Amino acid sequence: AQKVTQAQTEISVVEKEDVTLDCVYETRDTTYYLFWYKQPPSGELVFLIRRNSFDEQNEISGRYSWNFQKSTSSFNFTITASQVVDSAVYFCALSEPNTNAGKSTFGDGTTLTVKP
Amino acid sequence: DAGVIQSPRHEVTEMGQEVTLRCKPISGHNSLFWYRQTMMRGLELLIYFNNNVPIDDSGMPEDRFSAKMPNASFSTLKIQPSEPRDSAVYFCASSPGLAATSTDTQYFGPGTRLTVL
Repeated sequence: AQKVTQAQTEISVVEKEDVTLDCVYETRDTTYYLFWYKQPPSGELVFLIRRNSFDEQNEISGRYSWNFQKSTSSFNFTITASQVVDSAVYFCALSEPNTNAGKSTFGDGTTLTVKP
Repeated sequence: DAGVIQSPRHEVTEMGQEVTLRCKPISGHNSLFWYRQTMMRGLELLIYFNNNVPIDDSGMPEDRFSAKMPNASFSTLKIQPSEPRDSAVYFCASSPGLAATSTDTQYFGPGTRLTVL
């Protein structure tokens, strides 16, 4: 079973629209970590956020916000007032230190296109 | 502070040739990871090291792949002999903590785009 599911393969929005990227994870561990990475067209992978399983507070960083809900095993990412520069592939990842030490399992990614 | 450095950035080679990819992690980081990214399989972890010691190489596709980390500042991923299906982007990442006991953020290099003809 896939541990990290990003059901949205591609999303296209017009600049200034808000957009939410979904991430659903599966784990039996009580201690785990969730990540979001951005991969712009240039190809590099850029870290966005790391969240541990004991911290369910939502996070806001500028136009970016993350909604972590353990009840639904989701860690969704919202971009407010999207910009063309937000166009990228976004990956959600799960790390389970107790049962899968050191490994991060990545979702298949969501390709976001922001049109001017 | 320099990030993770990978070389070469692009490599084109012919089937059967040996390919060596290089990585210099961020100074002071204790864990190093090699990933492969393809359209078909997405991002896959190949192998990772803690303090220069290989911990888990279960992601290495087959015996043609090998990785070494002779010291804290250098790692190589070698493919011998290379095949067209090895064409992919290979990323190296490093992390401050020990991967077995920490899930620190991984910082990725720019990747090496490998094309095997």
